[in-house]
Amino acid sequence: DMKVTQMPRYLIKRMGENVLLECGQDMSHETMYWYRQDPGLGLQLIYISYDVDSNSEGDIPKGYRVSRKKREHFSLILDSAKTNQTSVYFCASSPLRDYNNQAPLFGEGTRLSVL
Amino acid sequence: KTQVEQSPQSLVVRQGENCVLQCNYSVTPDNHLRWFKQDTGKGLVSLTVLVDQKDKTSNGRYSATLDKDAKHSTLHITATLLDDTATYICVVGDRGSALGRLHFGAGTQLIVIP
Repeated sequence: DMKVTQMPRYLIKRMGENVLLECGQDMSHETMYWYRQDPGLGLQLIYISYDVDSNSEGDIPKGYRVSRKKREHFSLILDSAKTNQTSVYFCASSPLRDYNNQAPLFGEGTRLSVL
Repeated sequence: KTQVEQSPQSLVVRQGENCVLQCNYSVTPDNHLRWFKQDTGKGLVSLTVLVDQKDKTSNGRYSATLDKDAKHSTLHITATLLDDTATYICVVGDRGSALGRLHFGAGTQLIVIP
């Protein structure tokens, strides 16, 4: 069953703490993404990964870093979290080609609150 | 600058009614346009994709149109059900592969009441 799994689903952290968001997929998709979704805004791309150790900044990478050591797994790290990083974070995956016929698959999101 | 604008921002309809959601964009190039459904607290699920210069698709009670000359798309939902309550997101891709970028609208929140 094709699925993108995000852990944890909910997280509360204090300002200055480190945060690790995990994402896994079982389709062997080359490409994986991290987005954040804020009220009234479209999803914003934080990082994109084209394969293991092949990561590129998205539109809002500041304050975030990523790690992809296995094709199936993509992590988002917040070093010293800030209150303005409170958001819902979505991971997605897709095959590199045939984008028109294969939609990106999204996880159910991680709701992060930084107090 | 927002490149994908959706209207209305929110919409309330009675079960059984039809509704139309609009998407205007300025993304160039505009390789394809996809509509997603996002249930509250869930991820995005693809409803349909439009690719051609003037395209139409149909998926059950959902149908969509795209006019690339006008950079405009519509999503029609026929005979709405309570389960149609969700946010509908328009996404424009500037390439036919994951090497391109996806440009997301902020969504239309649809509420279907009994």
